[in-house]
Parts: sequence; structure tokens; C-alpha cells
Amino acid sequence: GIQVEQSPPDLILQEGANSTLRCNFSDSVNNLQWFHQNPWGQLINLFYIPSGTKQNGRLSATTVATERYSLLYISSSQTTDSGVYFCAAGGYGGSQGNLIFGKGTKLSVKP
Amino acid sequence: DAGVIQSPRHEVTEMGQEVTLRCKPISGHDYLFWYRQTMMRGLELLIYFNNNVPIDDSGMPEDRFSAKMPNASFSTLKIQPSEPRDSAVYFCASHFLPPNRGVAFFGQGTRLTVV
Repeated sequence: GIQVEQSPPDLILQEGANSTLRCNFSDSVNNLQWFHQNPWGQLINLFYIPSGTKQNGRLSATTVATERYSLLYISSSQTTDSGVYFCAAGGYGGSQGNLIFGKGTKLSVKP
Repeated sequence: DAGVIQSPRHEVTEMGQEVTLRCKPISGHDYLFWYRQTMMRGLELLIYFNNNVPIDDSGMPEDRFSAKMPNASFSTLKIQPSEPRDSAVYFCASHFLPPNRGVAFFGQGTRLTVV
């Protein structure tokens, strides 16, 4: 099955800084999503981005499917951005419902 | 819409007891997923349904786990008998489009502790 690796595992930023989170996946995907898990445990979908680039406010994401990676950009970070960011990928074969989650990047934004 | 609703939010039970977790998906979403999150294994898909029918239950860890979706607005995940290693956060998620096209909406999770 698909392997999903995220880096870095931990990231500490000062408020206002920018950051890039990376997600590598081992096989062709037809589904790639980014999620934010806040400190209270809630999982929020940020982007559905199997290819291309999307932007939503201070967040943007790019997936280069041919090179099997996706990037999540956070600009002008705020303390409310803290939490764990997960990348999840789904492939063409097998169960197309099975989103494979990476282990996440834990982001801490300091005031 | 209120989003995906799970209950209870927290459950503490003794080993050997039956545990039932509940989920109400977003109205109109045809796909419902149960995930488990642990420190060791991260987020894992247990089972998913399409139009109330189980499609893939290969992630269900063993026979002690069972899931049902009697109608479009309700699903249960049951563990009988429960064991301490079942302690985890259990999430329910729903999709509108087929999973390989859609965005997943997650409930707030049920934190299960088996002592």
C-alpha cells in the first residue's frame, strides 16, 4: 500500500514566521488531503489537492503528483495555527476509500 | 449543518465491558468512515460504508469490533469485550463524493479509556 511520510516531525515558530511542511508519498495517488488537528483534538480538512495549487487565506498547498510530494505553506503564522498537520493520501488500487495518514507535523507557534 | 456528531465524547470502561460508540454523519453524505487514532499507530481506517453498506472492513482489528449503519443518519462501532489496548480516540468521518474525490469531514472523536 501507499506509504506517506511527513517532515519535519516537529516545528517551533515565532508568531509571524512562515513555514513549509512536506508530504512524500510512495505511489500514484488520486486523493491527497491536508488536515489540521487542533490542540483539542478536532480534525479539520484544510485542502483536497491531488494535484496543482490551492490557496486559502494564509495557507496554500501544492501537490506535484508526478514527483509524489505535496507541500503545505503557512505564512504569517499565528498561535492558533498550533497543532498537528496531517497529510493523507489515497491511491488507485485496492480500497479507494482508504486514506493513508502520515504521522503528522507538530507545529507550535510561540507568541 | 451541525457537522459530524459523535457520542459520547469520553468513555471510561472496565476491561471486559461492551462499549458502543455512535456517529451521526452530515446529512446527504453517502460515505461514512470510522478511524482510530493512537500514539503508536497514528490514524487508521477501521471500516467505511457507502449508502449504509460496509465496503471495506479490512482495518477492523479483530472480531471483538463490529460496526453497523442501520440508516443513513446513524452508525455504531461496538467493542465487545473491550481490552486496555483498545484505548484510543475513535473518529467518525463522512464524505459527500466518492472518497477518492471528496473532502473528509471529521467528528470531534470519542476518547475511549479501558482500564
